[in-house]
Amino acid sequence: DVKVTQSSRYLVKRTGEKVFLECVQDMDHENMFWYRQDPGLGLRLIYFSYDVKMKEKGDIPEGYSVSREKKERFSLILESASTNQTSMYLCASTTNYGYTFGSGTRLTVV
Amino acid sequence: AQSVTQPDIHITVSEGASLELRCNYSYGATPYLFWYVQSPGQGLQLLLKYFSGDTLVQGIKGFEAEFKRSQSSFNLRKPSVHWSDAAEYFCAVGDDFGNEKLTFGTGTRLTIIP
Repeated sequence: DVKVTQSSRYLVKRTGEKVFLECVQDMDHENMFWYRQDPGLGLRLIYFSYDVKMKEKGDIPEGYSVSREKKERFSLILESASTNQTSMYLCASTTNYGYTFGSGTRLTVV
Repeated sequence: AQSVTQPDIHITVSEGASLELRCNYSYGATPYLFWYVQSPGQGLQLLLKYFSGDTLVQGIKGFEAEFKRSQSSFNLRKPSVHWSDAAEYFCAVGDDFGNEKLTFGTGTRLTIIP
């Protein structure tokens, strides 16, 4: 089975901290994605990457950046965490639209 | 840009009753369409997908969906729901096999009553 592993299930960070969310997939997928999920808003795309060192903005990239130095690892970075970034973050990888999602990181910014 | 509308935020259905969850999309060409389910505390699981061909798509857990181009709809159906179907359901549309981006609807929460 394809596995997408997110390093933390729950995180609590302080306002202004730099936060790293890590995601690793084990199936050599080219495409990887970061979504955030909020009640009533569904999943919204933050950033995606279709190759190593390649990235593109999604629908809500403000306040975020990403890094993909190796094919299997896609990191989401909150440069200066704010309370409005409190959310569930989902990483996914895919080939031919066969999405596999990680179990999510619930981030609380206080 | 494509968009997805799920007009029902919350639906309550009796166990054993039939179910239809609505999904409307906005996209110029033939889209790629998906339904995902998320049980409480669980990750997202693909129920079914439509790329082309037969407009009635069968999925897992007894679900099916019908693509209607004239109505820009991809509604999810199940003839008889089980208590274990209580979950949140997301419709999604993709536009390009190159980047494989998905645009999700806002979700429909399904409650099952005895």
